[in-house]
Amino acid sequence: SYVLTQPPSVSVAPGKTATIICGGNNIGSKSVHWYQQKPGQAPVLVIYYNSDRPSGIPERFSGSNSGNTAALTISRVEAGDEADYYCQVWDSSSALVFGGGTKLTVL
Amino acid sequence: EVLLVESGGGLVQPGGSLRLSCAASGFTVTSTYLSWVRQAPGKGLEWVSVVYTGGSTYFADSVKGRFTISRDSSQNTLFLQMNSLRAEDTAVYFCARSPSGSYYLGNPYFDLWGQGALVTVSS
Repeated sequence: SYVLTQPPSVSVAPGKTATIICGGNNIGSKSVHWYQQKPGQAPVLVIYYNSDRPSGIPERFSGSNSGNTAALTISRVEAGDEADYYCQVWDSSSALVFGGGTKLTVL
Repeated sequence: EVLLVESGGGLVQPGGSLRLSCAASGFTVTSTYLSWVRQAPGKGLEWVSVVYTGGSTYFADSVKGRFTISRDSSQNTLFLQMNSLRAEDTAVYFCARSPSGSYYLGNPYFDLWGQGALVTVSS
């Protein structure tokens, strides 16, 4: 089965840039999607197809994907960005796969 | 307004059954791909099952043979029938929509989620 690996936590000061990585075998050959989940709420799509932003998602959110690592980058981090972030791909052997999630803490 | 609203969660004993519902508004359940995704307390997201526009269904290995997914176009509702429930099935269950185009491209994602329904399996 296909496995996506994320760091459990990332911390960043307000106004700085946060990068959350998602590792997987040759993940660069897949499309990676990212979700933000705040406590007690449903996930929200923030990036799809590696780097596309749904309407309503700030331009501060961007994504990249190459080799064995995909990344979600949040520029000019705000207190309201504090949440859990999950990457997700489709794999022919595992169907829909999520990473374990990364808790973003804004210091 | 485009919405998904789950219902039917609750407390059930191990070995018991429960049926979750997910009422859709703003679109028809037969026009898109709909999944169930669950989240155990304090844990990450786990895909459970999907029903395709054509009616085909697929399941995660962890629930195969115990759960069934279906939809009713007259009620515009998605269902998850859960049988032989185990303690490890305890989770918040979300229904989620995938744009049809994302499946056509072989890269599905979820653009709309319900608020979730809590299922607790315990004696």
